[in-house]
Amino acid sequence: DTGVSQNPRHKITKRGQNVTFRCDPISEHNRLYWYRQTLGQGPEFLTYFQNEAQLEKSRLLSDRFSAERPKGSFSTLEIQRTEQGDSAMYLCASSPDPRDHYGYTFGSGTRLTVV
Amino acid sequence: GNSVTQMEGPVTLSEEAFLTINCTYTATGYPSLFWYVQYPGEGLQLLLKATKADDKGSNKGFEATYRKETTSFHLEKGSVQVSDSAVYFCALNSGGSNYKLTFGKGTLLTVNP
Repeated sequence: DTGVSQNPRHKITKRGQNVTFRCDPISEHNRLYWYRQTLGQGPEFLTYFQNEAQLEKSRLLSDRFSAERPKGSFSTLEIQRTEQGDSAMYLCASSPDPRDHYGYTFGSGTRLTVV
Repeated sequence: GNSVTQMEGPVTLSEEAFLTINCTYTATGYPSLFWYVQYPGEGLQLLLKATKADDKGSNKGFEATYRKETTSFHLEKGSVQVSDSAVYFCALNSGGSNYKLTFGKGTLLTVNP
């Protein structure tokens, strides 16, 4: 297993279009997290899953955002009716156990540009 | 709420210089503290951590000590290398069941030969 994989690496879309990102975590990790990172800022928590259950969503996650993790494996993050303010790096991380922090592994991210 | 304040960058040093990147935090309870590093084009990597007061985290020559009295977790390295050029993020987790992280804004370090 080569770590957390995110696709695509880059996405350019027109305002108003829908986009979907995918995250494949490390296979034995039951926790999966999404963060958003804008230019010059640190990552901000969006949501997390334990297995297939979405247990918390940040207020940053507006109604246009939805995340799923069917069968507790890969996860998707969809943004509907994209806005220019959605332009950011979207990071995924996975963890086998919240107490084992060295297992909290980030992917390389998907960079979204809304034009 | 929780917050992390990092020293503004960018920081530019010559090889073998001493590095300090300041980090202070505000949190409820007893947070765990972390430093992450992000090399160009790569994901965040955990550099070191400390889970209670007076703990010292260390890795690859970097160190940081959890100071509860000053709510600080400053990153230091005695002799930087060109390969240390990256963005460094201070972060905390204040506990609870979700184990989400609160990050600082990051500090860009450039080391010149």
